[in-house]
Amino acid sequence: QVTLEESGPALVKPTQTLTLTCTFSGFSLSTSGMRVSWIRQPPGKALEWLARVDWDDDKFYNPSLKTRLTISKDTSKNQVVLTMANMDPVDTATYYCARIRLGDCSGGVCPIADWGHGTLVTVSS
Amino acid sequence: QSVLTQPPSVSGAPGQRVTLSCTGSSSNIGAGYDVNWYQQLPGTAPKLLVYGNNNRPSGVPDRFSGSRSGTSASLAISGLQAEDEADYYCQSYDSTLSRSVFGTGTKVTAL
Repeated sequence: QVTLEESGPALVKPTQTLTLTCTFSGFSLSTSGMRVSWIRQPPGKALEWLARVDWDDDKFYNPSLKTRLTISKDTSKNQVVLTMANMDPVDTATYYCARIRLGDCSGGVCPIADWGHGTLVTVSS
Repeated sequence: QSVLTQPPSVSGAPGQRVTLSCTGSSSNIGAGYDVNWYQQLPGTAPKLLVYGNNNRPSGVPDRFSGSRSGTSASLAISGLQAEDEADYYCQSYDSTLSRSVFGTGTKVTAL
């Protein structure tokens, strides 16, 4: 059974750096084809893909947020960490981590079957 | 703003068939990229409902079906049930943005 759990601060101040950790079980990020992504959802709004790290340590970022994001993995701890610099109130959202399997991808798109419960991050002074 | 546009809301009587649209462009759905659909109940994470345009994961009722044509995709719910009240999001890939994209979301209400 695959589980993912996000953890991090519930409240950050503007200009601060947010650090979120995704701790997962049921799979290894050293296994070929495994990927972990971060996706966020502002209250009442749509989902937005943020970043992804692959089993071979390839990393991909939302181009519009690339300068602020850093994603990394610690295979031994089964964790993926996302940092987002220079936080702003518009970054208030629920942040989800999710597991993707390369083998599930088709037509250039990868379905996401495994999601964490999400963690709400509020940016306010 | 998302490059995949969905109607904000759709409603229907229980038992009725409702159809949700997801309109894209030549850089995403129209380019041949597949479409996935997610159901999000209040306060929960999205759940994969349809993948690869028209495939259902194990456990998803067959009253949910997906299709893709041109620059758009659709999700049909046949025999709407009260438990289907949720937000629904489409997902594809956009070659101009070089990333996965989600739709604006549709709230489904059973009258």
